[in-house]
Amino acid sequence: AQSVTQLDSQVPVFEEAPVELRCNYSSSVSVYLFWYVQYPNQGLQLLLKYLSGSTLVESINGFEAEFNKSQTSFHLRKPSVHISDTAEYFCAVSDKRGNTPLVFGKGTRLSVIA
Amino acid sequence: GAGVSQSPSNKVTEKGKDVELRCDPISGHTALYWYRQRLGQGLEFLIYFQGNSAPDKSGLPSDRFSAERTGESVSTLTIQRTQQEDSAVYLCASSSYIGPIETQYFGPGTRLLVL
Repeated sequence: AQSVTQLDSQVPVFEEAPVELRCNYSSSVSVYLFWYVQYPNQGLQLLLKYLSGSTLVESINGFEAEFNKSQTSFHLRKPSVHISDTAEYFCAVSDKRGNTPLVFGKGTRLSVIA
Repeated sequence: GAGVSQSPSNKVTEKGKDVELRCDPISGHTALYWYRQRLGQGLEFLIYFQGNSAPDKSGLPSDRFSAERTGESVSTLTIQRTQQEDSAVYLCASSSYIGPIETQYFGPGTRLLVL
């Protein structure tokens, strides 16, 4: 079984400042890792994922996340946030059997302040 | 269709009534998932359908919850004798089954309020 911990429920940050949203996971088997984003009044969208290979993965809108196996972490970062990044961010894992249910963290609400 | 759709978008019901929630997955997606998101919580897995295999019901919280799927199309989640703790957003997701891991695409959810 897997579990996901998102250490911060809310993160306020000023526009153009850097941000890191933390995610730690627990699993007895190898996992795939995901970040999903939920913009206000919208459904969940995949932001980025780690399956294998390079431990640093990037999204098209400037976010990146790094898989750290020794620390069982998959923190999400962006060097300079925009107002439009205001959303709820969910970290999730699934085991490597593939196409299995995701196990989600409780989410981190990122609020970007002008 | 263009994406996963769910209906109704909002449902208010009285305690003890039955409700039925509908999910239309992306055409061609063989896997379909139901999740629940209670206020201030992450998403909880409820049930998973994969093609014609027996569904994985391990996440259903009680026998009041059931779900059906006909082939690779529409799925319905039924909650019988609703309780106030069933109030949540119910999310459906679908994925194809081509590669080793396929992205789950989520619908907008059904917001259920049990009075």
